[in-house]
Amino acid sequence: DQQVKQNSPSLSVQEGRISILNCDYTNSMFDYFLWYKKYPAEGPTFLISISSIKDKNEDGRFTVFLNKSAKHLSLHIVPSQPGDSAVYFCAASPNQAGTALIFGKGTTLSVSS
Amino acid sequence: KAGVTQTPRYLIKTRGQQVTLSCSPISGHRSVSWYQQTPGQGLQFLFEYFSETQRNKGNFPGRFSGRQFSNSRSEMNVSTLELGDSALYLCASSSSTGGVPGELFFGEGSRLTVL
Repeated sequence: DQQVKQNSPSLSVQEGRISILNCDYTNSMFDYFLWYKKYPAEGPTFLISISSIKDKNEDGRFTVFLNKSAKHLSLHIVPSQPGDSAVYFCAASPNQAGTALIFGKGTTLSVSS
Repeated sequence: KAGVTQTPRYLIKTRGQQVTLSCSPISGHRSVSWYQQTPGQGLQFLFEYFSETQRNKGNFPGRFSGRQFSNSRSEMNVSTLELGDSALYLCASSSSTGGVPGELFFGEGSRLTVL
C-alpha cells in the first residue's frame, strides 16, 4: 500500500516554462514533506521541504504547495532550466524529526532548450 | 567537508550468500539511515541508527540488519541473498542538531547484483 504516490512517471517541459510535479499521500499524520532531486549515478539531494502546518514554502525558483484537505502537494519550478532535468522524489516523514522518510516512486523531469 | 561515503560501490553475489555494506557519514552527523532503491518499488526505508541504537525500522525481513559504531560509521548486512535483493542501497546521514527536519545527505550508493 503506497502511502506517497507520484502518479506521473515523467514530465517534459520547455526551458523557461513552469514545471509542476505532483504528489499525493494517504496518511494525514505526516509531519513533514520534502522533495529530493536525483541525477544518474548520484545519490538524491534535498531540494525543499514544508511542514504540515504550512501551505507554501518558497526557495528561489522552487515553491512547494501543500493542500492538507486534499492530501496533495506539488513542486513548482519557475523558470525551468535544462539543468533541472532529473528524477524528482516526493517524500513524507511520519515524525517531527524528519526521519524514516517514505518516498514516492519519482517523476523524471526533462527540460528541453 | 567530505560527503557520505559508501563502500563498495558495486558488488556481485550469488543467491544464498551474505553481504556487508559500509557507510561513513558526514563528520558530526550522528544519524545514519539506509534505503533500498529498486525500479519497481522506488526508495524504501530500511532502518535508521542514532548513537549506535536503531531508532526506526522499515518493513523489511530480518535478513536485513544493521549496526552503527561509536564513530557513527554504519554497516548493513543482508543474509541469505535472494534475486530480489538486487538493488541500489543508499546510505544517508543527517545532523541531529539544527538543520532542516528530513534533510538527508545521501551517498552515491552501493549497487548490489544477486545472480
